[in-house]
Amino acid sequence: QKEVEQNSGPLSVPEGAIASLNCTYSDRGSQSFFWYRQYSGKSPELIMFIYSNGDKEDGRFTAQLNKASQYVSLLIRDSQPSDSATYLCAVNMGSGGYNKLIFGAGTRLAVHP
Amino acid sequence: DAGVIQSPRHEVTEMGQEVTLRCKPISGHDYLFWYRQTMMRGLELLIYFNNNVPIDDSGMPEDRFSAKMPNASFSTLKIQPSEPRDSAVYFCASRPRGGTDTQYFGPGTRLTVL
Repeated sequence: QKEVEQNSGPLSVPEGAIASLNCTYSDRGSQSFFWYRQYSGKSPELIMFIYSNGDKEDGRFTAQLNKASQYVSLLIRDSQPSDSATYLCAVNMGSGGYNKLIFGAGTRLAVHP
Repeated sequence: DAGVIQSPRHEVTEMGQEVTLRCKPISGHDYLFWYRQTMMRGLELLIYFNNNVPIDDSGMPEDRFSAKMPNASFSTLKIQPSEPRDSAVYFCASRPRGGTDTQYFGPGTRLTVL
C-alpha cells in the first residue's frame, strides 16, 4: 500500500512566525511532490511542486525535499491568519507518464493574531 | 480562462436513486481525474482518463460507480443506486500533457444521500 503520512494537527502558530509542515511517503521511486492548500469548504489549490532534492522557494513558501529520507516539508514564513487552512501533501507514485497522486490526510494550520 | 467546471455544486438525494455528477475540464487538458473526499478517508482518486480513455479505475469503490468521458470537454460520474455511505465531496481535476504533473481542481460537488 503506497502511503503519504502527515500530522493531522492542528498546528497552531502566532502571526509572523514560521509554520513547518511535514510529510513522509512510502514509495522510494516517487519523482514529483506537491503541496496543496485547502480552505474549509473549498477545493485544493496548488501552492508548490518540487522534483529535486533540496529547497525551492516561492515568496513566503519554501518546499524542502529529501528523497533519501522520503521526506517533504513546507515552510511558511511570516505566517498570516489568511494562511489558516488544511495543507495537503501529494506524491505522484506513478512512473512512465502514469499519473497517480496520492494525498496525505492533511495538516490543519491555525495562525492566530 | 475558465477553470474546471463541475455541476451540480450540491446534490441531495434519497438512497437508491441514481446520481450523475458532471465535469468540464480546462480546455486543452488531456488528463481528467475524479476524486472523492471524506473526513474518514481523505482525498481518494477514483478514476482517471487520458485523452478520453480510462487509464486507472482501481479506486472506484464498487460496481455502483461508473465514469465516462465521451469527448475531451465532458465527463460524468454516475452512482446507481446511491447509498448513504456515498455522501462526500466529489472533485474533478484536470492537467495538461507534459509540463509539471500539476492537477487543477474544480469546485467540487457535495453529495448527500439520505
